[in-house]
Amino acid sequence: AQKITQTQPGMFVQEKEAVTLDCTYDTSDPSYGLFWYKQPSSGEMIFLIYQGSYDQQNATEGRYSLNFQKARKSANLVISASQLGDSAMYFCAMREGRRGGSEKLVFGKGTKLTVNP
Amino acid sequence: NAGVTQTPKFRILKIGQSMTLQCAQDMNHNYMYWYRQDPGMGLKLIYYSVGAGITDKGEVPNGYNVSRSTTEDFPLRLELAAPSQTSVYFCASSYSGGYSNQPQHFGDGTRLSIL
Repeated sequence: AQKITQTQPGMFVQEKEAVTLDCTYDTSDPSYGLFWYKQPSSGEMIFLIYQGSYDQQNATEGRYSLNFQKARKSANLVISASQLGDSAMYFCAMREGRRGGSEKLVFGKGTKLTVNP
Repeated sequence: NAGVTQTPKFRILKIGQSMTLQCAQDMNHNYMYWYRQDPGMGLKLIYYSVGAGITDKGEVPNGYNVSRSTTEDFPLRLELAAPSQTSVYFCASSYSGGYSNQPQHFGDGTRLSIL
C-alpha cells in the first residue's frame, strides 16, 4: 500500500487565486512528519513547509499553509494568491519514526501545478 | 553557502560501464541520502547514511554501492550500468539533533542516461 497518495496528477489555477493540493498518508506510527517540496522545471527540490504529527496548529509559511487533518490522515497544501512562478511539480513526503530517527522520507508521485495568467 | 553539491550534472554511460556520482555538503549535516527519480514519479531512496562510516539500504539499493568516509562526502557507485538505471539522481542531507523537523536539503541532481 502506498504510504503517500497524491491523487491529482495535474492542477490548473488562475493567477492570484488560491489552490489546494491534496495529500493523504498511511502510517501506524504516532510520531511522524509531513513535508512539501516544490520542483520547478529546472529540476531542483525546494523545501516549502513542514507539519509534525504532534503540532497543535496547522503550519504556515508565507503564502503556503498546510490543512492538516490528523484523523483523516490528510495534509493538503494550500497556496494563496498563486503566482506564475508557482507553476511546478509539488511533492508530499512523510518521515516516520521517533525523534532523532533516520529521517527517511517517503515521497508521493507529485502534482503538476500550472498557474494561468 | 554551497549547500549540497552534486557532480556531474549530466552523464551518458554505456551498458556495463561503471561510474561514481559525487555528493558533498558543507552544512555539517549528519545524515545524507541518495534518491532516484524516474520520469513522472516521486523520489525513491537508494541508500542513506546517519554518519561517517555508517550506511544502510533504502527502498531500491540493487545495482548501487555507497561509502561515507567523511561527514562531508557521500559518493554513489554504479558498478555495471543497466538501462533501468537511467534516471535523475538526487543527493540530500539533513541535520537531526533531536526533534526531526529539519528538512532534507537537496542537490541539483545528476541526469544519467544508460545506452
